[in-house]
Amino acid sequence: QSALTQPASVSGSPGQSITISCTGTSSDIGGYNYVSWYQQTPGKAPKLIIYEVSDRPSGVSDRFSGSKSGNTASLTISGLQAEDEADYYCNSYTNRGTRVFGTGTKVTVL
Amino acid sequence: EVQLVESGGGLVQPGGSLRLSCVASGFSFQFYAIQWVRQAPGKGLEYVSAISDNGDRALYGDSVKGRFTTSRDNSKNMVYLQMGSLRPEDTAVYYCAREADWYVDHWGQGTLVTVSS
Repeated sequence: QSALTQPASVSGSPGQSITISCTGTSSDIGGYNYVSWYQQTPGKAPKLIIYEVSDRPSGVSDRFSGSKSGNTASLTISGLQAEDEADYYCNSYTNRGTRVFGTGTKVTVL
Repeated sequence: EVQLVESGGGLVQPGGSLRLSCVASGFSFQFYAIQWVRQAPGKGLEYVSAISDNGDRALYGDSVKGRFTTSRDNSKNMVYLQMGSLRPEDTAVYYCAREADWYVDHWGQGTLVTVSS
């Protein structure tokens, strides 16, 4: 199972919106609405920020939103803030019942 | 409060074995599947394994299939990852994580496994 493809890095200025793409296949992203996104800061465990494509857990800012079209999922961060600087990973259920992570995207706030 | 605490990491020689443990608290452990996810130094997250709530089904990522075995003891709120035929590329922080339906909602702090001679 190959990792889902994400851009290595995305940057934006405070207040801007950025979008991170996550591309898979019909065997994972395209076949199921089970895409989740995680935020990870250095030395810490990942934190769930989006599940089932577009749902947000309680306590996660509504500046984070998710969507999906075909084999590609996207995470959008609106009103970018310094605290959003982190690594972001997508994840999908697969047709084998396993899960697959994306390659990860480093978000830099300029 | 949901807590997952991993232990058992350390230095092991190539070809060796190691067993990781994860103790859970703060939730009804027997109703949740548990995943193992790893992260090599400076690298991304990688799905390792998952075990169903009652332990009757375990799945593995391609890179560890046939070498790693996941088990659980619901009477002790414990999950185990038995790792064998270890390779340098298995060096990583190993996270234990609670699976809620189709995603992970809680993570442990991780335990470092180093495979080196």
